[in-house]
Amino acid sequence: NAGVTQTPKFQVLKTGQSMTLQCAQDMNHEYMSWYRQDPGMGLRLIHYSVGAGITDQGEVPNGYNVSRSTTEDFPLRLLSAAPSQTSVYFCASSYRGEGNYGYTFGSGTRLTVV
Amino acid sequence: AQSVSQHNHHVILSEAASLELGCNYSYGGTVNLFWYVQYPGQHLQLLLKYFSGDPLVKGIKGFEAEFIKSKFSFNLRKPSVQWSDTAEYFCAVRDNNDMRFGAGTRLTVKP
Repeated sequence: NAGVTQTPKFQVLKTGQSMTLQCAQDMNHEYMSWYRQDPGMGLRLIHYSVGAGITDQGEVPNGYNVSRSTTEDFPLRLLSAAPSQTSVYFCASSYRGEGNYGYTFGSGTRLTVV
Repeated sequence: AQSVSQHNHHVILSEAASLELGCNYSYGGTVNLFWYVQYPGQHLQLLLKYFSGDPLVKGIKGFEAEFIKSKFSFNLRKPSVQWSDTAEYFCAVRDNNDMRFGAGTRLTVKP
């Protein structure tokens, strides 16, 4: 029972590089989302998806792309990394339901952009 | 979309002291309310949740929270904290499709 799996756990990028953060869940959850966590700002929603083929923007979508080709996977792409994207990134999933489900979180990816 | 305010940035308590962490959300309607805990170096874990019924909700590890609709509040309480409760606590509101988090309250419990 893996839950939500994020890879990599740590990454250092140079400004301007691109990369993809991977997220996979094995619980058949319809809903998946990406958050970034910064000190004193809590978690801010980047993008979310309510099912395969459907994605939408959250609070801070600029500089990030997502796609949802399968129920299990929800990768987050950084198109051209900037130092402002240094953060800890969490993927989360849940049943879609009527909102009364908590999220299951992945263990996070700590990204540093130099 | 909702916004969530947590009033305390950092709380320092001695063991056995009582805890209350404040949380307010921005507007009414049907919302689902959560408290999460993040221990150092770990991901967020669900402490408790409210979506209907009894406004006093009990969670894991002796935590409870009270939903007061008229005040748009969902405060977290624990009668007697332990050193192992040292962590960061996040209040969250789920409104339709997305969940919004407060900035978090760091709790330090001194032995």
